[in-house]
Amino acid sequence: QSVLTQPPSVSGAPGQRVTISCTGDSSNIGAGYDVHWYQQLPGTAPKLLIYGDSDRPSGVPDRFSGSKSGTSASLAIAGLQAEDEADYYCQSYDSSLSLYVFGTGTKVTVL
Amino acid sequence: QVQLQESGPGLVKPSETLSLTCTISGGAISSNNWWSWVRQPPGKGLEWMGEIHYSGNTNYNPSLKGRVTISVEKPKNQFSLRLSSVTAADTAMYYCAVGIPGRPRNNWFDPWGQGTLVTVFS
Repeated sequence: QSVLTQPPSVSGAPGQRVTISCTGDSSNIGAGYDVHWYQQLPGTAPKLLIYGDSDRPSGVPDRFSGSKSGTSASLAIAGLQAEDEADYYCQSYDSSLSLYVFGTGTKVTVL
Repeated sequence: QVQLQESGPGLVKPSETLSLTCTISGGAISSNNWWSWVRQPPGKGLEWMGEIHYSGNTNYNPSLKGRVTISVEKPKNQFSLRLSSVTAADTAMYYCAVGIPGRPRNNWFDPWGQGTLVTVFS
């Protein structure tokens, strides 16, 4: 039931910058609902990374940043580190489905 | 800081009811948050199941077609999930999470419990 589409995988060398897109439509991101991002390390629960499109909770490195435009949002990871290898999910609300929705998920690999 | 811990049977038979409890520590269930359940089938993505406010107001994922019930037990600082008529498709890691209210319908989830794996198996 994922209405938010993410690339299945992205990769980069240590120190590089990678971006993950999250594409929705006029019922979710395009309707102005906030986008939030989560990091899920292998075998662990998701952890909040970005909330309200671009705000970072305390303790999250400023290497992580979020943005939104139109019906899409993006998560950028600058200065990629080995510890960033994880699955990343975007999340928003969909007014036509009347539920909170998650993206399809993106696996980040550090080469 | 708030911490969550899921508990319940790890095996459920087809057609029976799955029941899980989430125990809250470091915070009160009577706070102005929404208490949610999210599940993740093995190797797949996340699915929001529903949420409850301590006042008793609930919102559910329509795709669960009336099989899901979330309730609050204020004296125990817990909230619970019941999913009826389970099938193999309900095998998943089940997480409870705190829904932090931003603007209406803009909640984010933080923190999450560690999750509990439920297998539907005959």
